[in-house]
Amino acid sequence: QSALTQPASVSGSPGQSITISCTGTSSDVGGYNYVSWYQQYPGKAPKVMIYEVSYRPSGVSNRFSGSKSGNTASLTISGLQAEDDADYYCSSYTSGSTLNVFGTGTKVTVL
Amino acid sequence: EVQLLESGGGLVQPGGSLRLSCAASGFTFSNYAMSWVRQAPGKGLEWVSTISGRGGGTYYADSVKGRFTISRDNSMNTLYLQMHSLRAEDTAVYYCAKTLGGLAAPDKYNWFDPWGQGTLVTVSS
Repeated sequence: QSALTQPASVSGSPGQSITISCTGTSSDVGGYNYVSWYQQYPGKAPKVMIYEVSYRPSGVSNRFSGSKSGNTASLTISGLQAEDDADYYCSSYTSGSTLNVFGTGTKVTVL
Repeated sequence: EVQLLESGGGLVQPGGSLRLSCAASGFTFSNYAMSWVRQAPGKGLEWVSTISGRGGGTYYADSVKGRFTISRDNSMNTLYLQMHSLRAEDTAVYYCAKTLGGLAAPDKYNWFDPWGQGTLVTVSS
């Protein structure tokens, strides 16, 4: 099972919006509405930001939103803030012998 | 408050074994699937294994299948990962995570919340 494909880096200025893509196949992203997104600061554990493509857990800012089209899921961060500077990973449920696959990760830099 | 605390990491020689533990509190442990996810130094996240709430279902990444065994003791609210035949490429921080299924399909375990702080496993001679 290959990792989902994400851009290595995305950057934006405070207040701007950015979008991170997550591309898989019909066996994972395209086959199920079970894509989640995680934020990770250096040396810290990941934190879920979005689950089931577009649901936000309690306590997560509404500046974070998720969507999916075909085999590609997307995470949009609007009104970019300095605290959004972190690594972001997507994950998807997958058919076959394994259960889950993560994306390659994206470093978001707030300029 | 949900808390997950991993332990058992350390330095082990190639070919050696190690058992990780994850002590859970703040939720009804037996009601939830649990998972291990690892992160090699400077690398991305890699799903390793998931076990259902009652322990009847176990799932593994191809990279660890046949070498790692996930288990749980619901009376002790503890998750385990027994690792054998360790390789240099198993070097990573290992996180345990409470695992949730789909709103309409609870057995399709697909997202992780929360995560423990992680325990470092180093495989080296």
